[in-house]
Amino acid sequence: EIVLTQSPGTLSLSPGDRATLSCRASQSVANNYVAWYQQNPGQAPRLLIYGASSRATGVPDRFSGSGSGTEFTLTISRLEPEDFAVYYCQQYCCSPRTFGQGTKVEIK
Amino acid sequence: EVQLVQSGAEVKQVGESLKISCTDPGYRFTNYWIAWVRQMPGKGLEWMGSIYLGDPNIKDSPSSQGQVTISADKSITTAYLQWSSLKASDTAMYYCARHASQRSQYNWLDPWGQGTLVTVSS
Repeated sequence: EIVLTQSPGTLSLSPGDRATLSCRASQSVANNYVAWYQQNPGQAPRLLIYGASSRATGVPDRFSGSGSGTEFTLTISRLEPEDFAVYYCQQYCCSPRTFGQGTKVEIK
Repeated sequence: EVQLVQSGAEVKQVGESLKISCTDPGYRFTNYWIAWVRQMPGKGLEWMGSIYLGDPNIKDSPSSQGQVTISADKSITTAYLQWSSLKASDTAMYYCARHASQRSQYNWLDPWGQGTLVTVSS
């Protein structure tokens, strides 16, 4: 099983700040099959990034994904009020599919 | 709009049975895999398993998942999650989500259903 470890657990930032979220895999993720999801309180997760770096339809370009192998990053260039949420990475190369434990981006 | 619609919230007693559903109202997902994802209160996301709507005999689930049954009805493009005997620890929000590409489970999840809250009390 591929274990995904996200860091930090909580990120305290202000609107307009840059956010950098990390997702580390316990072994290499084939084909960089990593997705990122955003979850706001009381809502279902929403796809942001797939294939480590491809933005999903309708996702603002302030969201970007990068990385390969075992190290992946989600960057939000300038935080908007609606971006304060919990973010999860997921690997879908291998069964069982696994998620990271999440990073909460909160208002400082 | 591409969407998945889940059945409503449930309140059950320990030991009771339950079956929740996830439907593609547009009947467009016949050749897609559907995943179930659990979120316990205040916790993260856990993949519970996936099923291929094109052939509901084809499933994939983690070896640790043995207390719940995933099934589907291809004719109505609906997936199900079923418990024969609920435990208090089954209290959670359950989401279904479509694997993004046809005929493959090796892709990301999009779209997601709205979630079904299951509360099990003793």
